[in-house]
Amino acid sequence: NAGVTQTPKFQVLKTGQSMTLQCAQDMNHNSMYWYRQDPGMGLRLIYYSASEGTTDKGEVPNGYNVSRLNKREFSLRLESAAPSQTSVYFCASRGGGDQETQYFGPGTRLLVL
Amino acid sequence: TQLLEQSPQFLSIQEGENLTVYCNSSSVFSSLQWYRQEPGEGPVLLVTVVTGGEVKKLKRLTFQFGDARKDSSLHITAAQPGDTGLYLCAGVKGYKLSFGAGTTVTVRA
Repeated sequence: NAGVTQTPKFQVLKTGQSMTLQCAQDMNHNSMYWYRQDPGMGLRLIYYSASEGTTDKGEVPNGYNVSRLNKREFSLRLESAAPSQTSVYFCASRGGGDQETQYFGPGTRLLVL
Repeated sequence: TQLLEQSPQFLSIQEGENLTVYCNSSSVFSSLQWYRQEPGEGPVLLVTVVTGGEVKKLKRLTFQFGDARKDSSLHITAAQPGDTGLYLCAGVKGYKLSFGAGTTVTVRA
């Protein structure tokens, strides 16, 4: 039982390059999330998918796109990276219900030069 | 603007002392969760509080949910160096969680 896995762990991009962050969960959760974490700002929601086949914007969606490939996988794409997207990105998954735990992946550290 | 305000932002105390972290909001949540994050890792859930006025204890950690379900506190008794970390509160509404900016706690031996 791996929980939530993310790839890659580290990435350096040049401004304007594109990349896709991959996320997979093996807990059969319906909901999946992408957050970014910056110093002093906590976790900010980029996009989420309440269930397979649906995606919705969070607080900071600009410059990102997502794909819920199937129930297990939820990817985050940066089409044209900008230095402001330098951050640590966390994927998470969660079962249904208000008391459900949100399980986080280990994070992807992205530096955009 | 953060939906949830945490205070203080940083806290450094000596081993054996007590500490309290606060999480406040103007919004009502169906539940509130506390997470702890260590450097280089994702947050891990400590507790979920659901009922207004609820108090939950986890060994030396005591969590309280405000009567109006808008605020919460985390109290650590006799802190130990192993309690060092980033503590995050998160308000739950439906599918979405809104996180506070976090409180960095350092417990010196």
